[in-house]
Amino acid sequence: DAGITQSPRYKITETGRQVTLMCHQTWSHSYMFWYRQDLGHGLRLIYYSAAADITDKGEVPDGYVVSRSKTENFPLTLESATRSQTSVYFCASSESGSSGNTIYFGEGSWLTVV
Amino acid sequence: QQQVKQSPQSLIVQKGGISIINCAYENTAFDYFPWYQQFPGKGPALLIAIRPDVSEKKEGRFTISFNKSAKQFSLHIMDSQPGDSATYFCAASMDSSYKLIFGSGTRLLVRP
Repeated sequence: DAGITQSPRYKITETGRQVTLMCHQTWSHSYMFWYRQDLGHGLRLIYYSAAADITDKGEVPDGYVVSRSKTENFPLTLESATRSQTSVYFCASSESGSSGNTIYFGEGSWLTVV
Repeated sequence: QQQVKQSPQSLIVQKGGISIINCAYENTAFDYFPWYQQFPGKGPALLIAIRPDVSEKKEGRFTISFNKSAKQFSLHIMDSQPGDSATYFCAASMDSSYKLIFGSGTRLLVRP
């Protein structure tokens, strides 16, 4: 039962570089999410996807791009990394988008932008 | 207003004691209130959740108390154990919405 796997788990990159964080889920869940976790801010939604080829912005989308060509994959790209994007990134999935559905999180990707 | 306010930011409790974490919300349209538990180096995982039609929900040592009129809900951990040491997040969402609004988190340390 692999669930949600994220890669890389740890990444250091330089300002201005493009970085892609990968996310793969084995449950065939319709909904997938990307959150960032910062001290004092809890978890903030960056982007979500309701199905393959359907994506939409969350609370903090600026500087990020997502795609979802296959149901099981939901990569997050930082087009030109900035220091403010140093954070822990969590991919998550849910069977549906309705209230009450459990959201399952991956183990996180620690990104440091220097 | 979508915000969920959580307190305290950190909490230290002796083994066997009661841990209490509080959350307050603004939007009366919220109808689902989960708590997530996160251990160091791991992703958050659903711990317990409540709907506003009940005032309390208990699962083992974990209890959610819900006060609809005050727009507040809290997590009580009875007989706290060192293994409960983690960060706890409250959250809220509304029907027909995918979106979970998270509180800022509480780091709990249970001393042996």
